[in-house]
Amino acid sequence: AQSVTQLDSQVPVFEEAPVELRCNYSSSVSVYLFWYVQYPNQGLQLLLKYLSGSTLVKGINGFEAEFNKSQTSFHLRKPSVHISDTAEYFCAVSPMIKAAGNKLTFGGGTRVLVKP
Amino acid sequence: SQTIHQWPATLVQPVGSPLSLECTVEGTSNPNLYWYRQAAGRGLQLLFYSVGIGQISSEVPQNLSASRPQDRQFILSSKKLLLSDSGFYLCAREGPGEQYFGPGTRLTVT
Repeated sequence: AQSVTQLDSQVPVFEEAPVELRCNYSSSVSVYLFWYVQYPNQGLQLLLKYLSGSTLVKGINGFEAEFNKSQTSFHLRKPSVHISDTAEYFCAVSPMIKAAGNKLTFGGGTRVLVKP
Repeated sequence: SQTIHQWPATLVQPVGSPLSLECTVEGTSNPNLYWYRQAAGRGLQLLFYSVGIGQISSEVPQNLSASRPQDRQFILSSKKLLLSDSGFYLCAREGPGEQYFGPGTRLTVT
């Protein structure tokens, strides 16, 4: 079984400031890692994913994340946020070994509020 | 393109009433499909997934059920809604290395 912990439920940040959203996971098997963004009353959109290879992953909208296997973390960062980055962000994992399906386990989400 | 439709977009239902939420997928055949629920102030919880017609796996025991009558159709149902069923329901399909989500259905049980 897998579990995902997003350490901050809300993160206020000023426009053009950097932001980091923390994500830690636990799993008895190797996992793939994902960050999704959800704008109000919309579905989820994939920001980036780590499947293999370089531990620094670049995604859309200027976001990046670094996979740290020893610390079981996958923190999301953006060097300079915009008002339009105001949204809820979800970290998720899925097991590399797929018995049936590709089930995602999500963290509780982090609400980012960008202030002018 | 591959598109996921969810119907209805919003729904207000009284406690004890039945429920039927529909998810349809375009542009792909025999996709793995998923139902998630997002309760207020909480993360997403996987409810059901399906790897094919008539094949449903339940992740969380509750008063909800799911069916897959057609390859590209996934339905979430309940015979009697509870207040705790309120939330945002998301349908997703599996793609290469990720899942793609539909626009969601906002359900309010009163």
